[in-house]
Order: sequence, then C-alpha cells, then structure tokens
Amino acid sequence: NAGVTQTPKFQVLKTGQSMTLQCAQDMNHNSMYWYRQDPGMGLRLIYYSASEGTTDKGEVPNGYNVSRLNKREFSLRLESAAPSQTSVYFCASSDDNEQFFGPGTRLTVL
Amino acid sequence: QKEVEQDPGPLSVPEGAIVSLNCTYSNSAFQYFMWYRQYSRKGPELLMYTYSSGNKEDGRFTAQVDKSSKYISLFIRDSQPSDSATYLCAMRKGVTGFQKLVFGTGTRLLVSP
Repeated sequence: NAGVTQTPKFQVLKTGQSMTLQCAQDMNHNSMYWYRQDPGMGLRLIYYSASEGTTDKGEVPNGYNVSRLNKREFSLRLESAAPSQTSVYFCASSDDNEQFFGPGTRLTVL
Repeated sequence: QKEVEQDPGPLSVPEGAIVSLNCTYSNSAFQYFMWYRQYSRKGPELLMYTYSSGNKEDGRFTAQVDKSSKYISLFIRDSQPSDSATYLCAMRKGVTGFQKLVFGTGTRLLVSP
C-alpha cells in the first residue's frame, strides 16, 4: 500500500505559467482534499471532493481548479501561477474517521 | 478570530520532560478532536483522536478534551528527541460521515538530548 502519493515533489514556476499537481490514493477512500500550508497559517483547505464525481470549494479556492478524475485520483491545477501561490501543497484522502496525507509538493513561483 | 487557536512555539524541552500542547476553539459544535504530528518536510500523520470530553491514553501520549472550556490538550510523557516535530490539532463537527476538518496552525516542539 503506497497510501497517498503526490507528484511532483518540487516545482519552480515563473509567474503566469500553469501546472497540474497530481494526487492518487490506493485506500479506496471516497473523499479527497487539497490543502496548502504556509508558515503561521497552518493547513488551509483549497478544494475537496466528498465523493467521486463531486468537487467543492474550500477556504482558499481562488486561482485553483480541481478534477476528480476517478475514485483514486484528484488533481489540482494552477492556470496562471502567482508568487502568492508559493507554498507546500498536500493532498489527503479520508475514510469516515481519519485523513491520510501525502508527502507534499513544494512549489515556488518566481 | 480563528475557529481554532494554537500557539506556534517553538517549545523547547530537555529529554524526559513532560510536554503539554494545547488548542482552544470557539465553535461549540465541534465534537471530534484529533492531534496530528508532522515531521519536517513530511505530511501530517494522525497521532490520536477522541470523540468526547475526558482523557484518552496511548503509550506516552494522553489527549484531553474539556468541552466546557473549549480547550484540548496533548500530553507527552518522557519526551524523546524523536518527538521533535510540529503538532497540529484538528477538529470537526460530525462524529461520523464526511466532514471537513479545521486545523490549528501547529506547535513546533524541540526535544533536546
């Protein structure tokens, strides 16, 4: 069991570039999430998918889009990256009780 | 005001000390309380959870919830250098089923040998 995997681990973008962060889970969980983590701000929810076929905005969705490709995969897209999106991004999936996190993607936008 | 408040630290203690980590919250609807541990450059991992007021013990770790004061604590006995990490509290309103978590900002703990 790999749990929650994320690619890439690191990425540097220039302002205005686009990219997609990939996430996959092998635990057959219905729910998946994207968070960003910034110093002093904790984990903030960007988007979530309560079940396959549904997605909803979280606390900080502006500048992002998501796709729940199937039950296993949930991707996060930055259409036009901005320096304010420099952060560590975590994907998570959950059963009824626990959220399991991936290892994170460190994104720098110059 | 944030729904969940947590002192960012860092909290520095010598090996063997008893550590107390705390969070306060404002929403009385929260019923399910968790502590996550996050090592540097890693994702958070669940350490403990509890559904109600009172204490829950797991080895060197004790989670305590006081709903009347809207205050939760994590105690670590006989702290070890390997306990050095950031500890995040998290909580949600429902006990079962899908619910979004609300996280504290995390407290960084440093345990020196």
